[in-house]
Amino acid sequence: GAVVSQHPSWVICKSGTSVKIECRSLDFQATTMFWYRQFPKQSLMLMATSNEGSKATYEQGVEKDKFLINHASLTLSTLTVTSAHPEDSSFYICSASGTSGSRSSTDTQYFGPGTRLTVL
Amino acid sequence: GEDVEQSLFLSVREGDSSVINCTYTDSSSTYLYWYKQEPGAGLQLLTYIFSNMDMKQDQRLTVLLNKKDKHLSLRIADTQTGDSAIYFCAEKHNFNKFYFGSGTKLNVKP
Repeated sequence: GAVVSQHPSWVICKSGTSVKIECRSLDFQATTMFWYRQFPKQSLMLMATSNEGSKATYEQGVEKDKFLINHASLTLSTLTVTSAHPEDSSFYICSASGTSGSRSSTDTQYFGPGTRLTVL
Repeated sequence: GEDVEQSLFLSVREGDSSVINCTYTDSSSTYLYWYKQEPGAGLQLLTYIFSNMDMKQDQRLTVLLNKKDKHLSLRIADTQTGDSAIYFCAEKHNFNKFYFGSGTKLNVKP
């Protein structure tokens, strides 16, 4: 249980275009989803926290108008990188926490497989 | 504090034990976690420990927690080549935010 998927797994786009990344919890209701960014050989940097049905909370230094996050349902959150530039190229990982039936997973984050974004 | 520190590299021979260390900063963290990341993949939850525990064992994995020194370690017994990966420790803060260490790259030599 507690499976999180991301789509696409990799994407290449031209500078100036927008890219949407989806994060889905497959077998549990994700009340909270998190978006991270990981640079090569570095740790994960938390970008934002999103709760279902409310606006995302962004970490300091993360531009909310550039990285649009929507958490419209208990199983889906999306991250849209708007007007992407080469410096936005990175590995984006989502995670989710929530409940699955009688089991509470609110204390643990389950991670998606990540999305590799390359902006040319 | 959000600085979670780990040594960057560890190299062991197959069959030996591996010990990966982590120093965290928030003494109020309720849970501490170990995740494994293989190349090009997301993070896989290995194990976690509640802050009122000193030790947790799960098959080949042993987690030790020293709250006084804010030190967490992960011991992998009988390390295999398939254990080669990057290992991240993480501490849970308020609002379920996780802060990760820099990751330790474990290299297992046959």
